[in-house]
Amino acid sequence: KQEVTQIPAALSVPEGENLVLNCSFTDSAIYNLQWFRQDPGKGLTSLLLIQSSQREQTSGRLNASLDKSSGRSTLYIAASQPGDSATYLCAVCSGSEKLVFGKGTKLTVNP
Amino acid sequence: NAGVTQTPKFRILKIGQSMTLQCAQDMNHNYMYWYRQDPGMGLKLIYYSVGAGITDKGEVPNGYNVSRSTTEDFPLRLELAAPSQTSVYFCASSFPQGRGRVFSTEAFFGQGTRLTVV
Repeated sequence: KQEVTQIPAALSVPEGENLVLNCSFTDSAIYNLQWFRQDPGKGLTSLLLIQSSQREQTSGRLNASLDKSSGRSTLYIAASQPGDSATYLCAVCSGSEKLVFGKGTKLTVNP
Repeated sequence: NAGVTQTPKFRILKIGQSMTLQCAQDMNHNYMYWYRQDPGMGLKLIYYSVGAGITDKGEVPNGYNVSRSTTEDFPLRLELAAPSQTSVYFCASSFPQGRGRVFSTEAFFGQGTRLTVV
């Protein structure tokens, strides 16, 4: 059974800092890995999708890496801003196209 | 450019009542999912569908039913509401493609339905 773990559960940083969010998964036989952002009381917004054959994806100040063999992914956020404050969720797609989610990292960027 | 639309956004039910959560997508995605999100517990899969007429159970299906008569719609039915079903419910869709479905597109989520059972 695929299990996804996100560390840390919560993170508070000053504005402008670069930061890394971690995601690990137990079964390396995945189709893809997706990072989402969730604002309080809102739905999930897709940030980055990494296919199993890819090593990383970039979008603006966000960079996500994937090391399938070790079961790890990181989300790097450069020059963090208060507007980046949200919960970040990692989800792995494997077997029957089902997404398995981690519990998320709640990020607070302080002005 | 609607994407995935869920209705209602909020609902309060009494124990034992029933209701249907609606989900519709306009992206011609063949895969659709229902998740529930509880505080500190992440998202758990309730049911999913790989196409019209095909549904299957996820991790936490008890107390729920689904149907998929069209590609666009995937309603979730609660027959006898219980306090344990108080949660936020999310519908999602995706469109797997490529040889052997190895390459799949990203999943898109609705804005959620916040359900309280009292």
